[in-house]
Amino acid sequence: GENVEQHPSTLSVQEGDSAVIKCTYSDSASNYFPWYKQELGKRPQLIIDIRSNVGEKKDQRIAVTLNKTAKHFSLHITETQPEDSAVYFCALSTGGGNKLTFGTGTQLKVEL
Amino acid sequence: GAGVSQSPSNKVTEKGKDVELRCDPISGHTALYWYRQSLGQGLEFLIYFQGNSAPDKSGLPSDRFSAERTGGSVSTLTIQRTQQEDSAVYLCASSLIAGGDTGELFFGEGSRLTVL
Repeated sequence: GENVEQHPSTLSVQEGDSAVIKCTYSDSASNYFPWYKQELGKRPQLIIDIRSNVGEKKDQRIAVTLNKTAKHFSLHITETQPEDSAVYFCALSTGGGNKLTFGTGTQLKVEL
Repeated sequence: GAGVSQSPSNKVTEKGKDVELRCDPISGHTALYWYRQSLGQGLEFLIYFQGNSAPDKSGLPSDRFSAERTGGSVSTLTIQRTQQEDSAVYLCASSLIAGGDTGELFFGEGSRLTVL
């Protein structure tokens, strides 16, 4: 089945700096790679996703990159703000109506 | 309803008792997931229902756990003979599967289970 590793488990940055979280996977059939954000005490919510037919996708301050050859994908947050502090989960699916498997999460703290 | 609804929001039970957790997905969503999240931990996959296909039960931790989805809509997760290690937040999510593509998961608020 799908396996996804996420690093780092915790990340602390200064406000305004960039943050990068990386996930690696093993199943080359994986073709859908979303990122979810979970604020303290809240439910996870989708922030950005990418499918295997593109290498990069941007949405304002966040971007996701995908390297299919190396089997890894990354979340990039630029100009971090205190409200970016949350736990971020990567996930993946092999499509075909198959399940979504989540990484172990990264606790991001943006310090003033 | 507008979103995924779960009940109860909080459940405290004694070790050895059975519990049922309910999930009402977004209308029209064919896929339904149950995940477990222990304090400060990740999202542990439990079970996945997709349309009329046989559910993917590969994440259920023991035979004390079972789930069903009636009429392709409401789902119930049942934990028999609860143990203290079952204490966690149980999250339900639903999504559309369009053209074989996995869609966005919409999560409920979760059911917080505490086993004394």
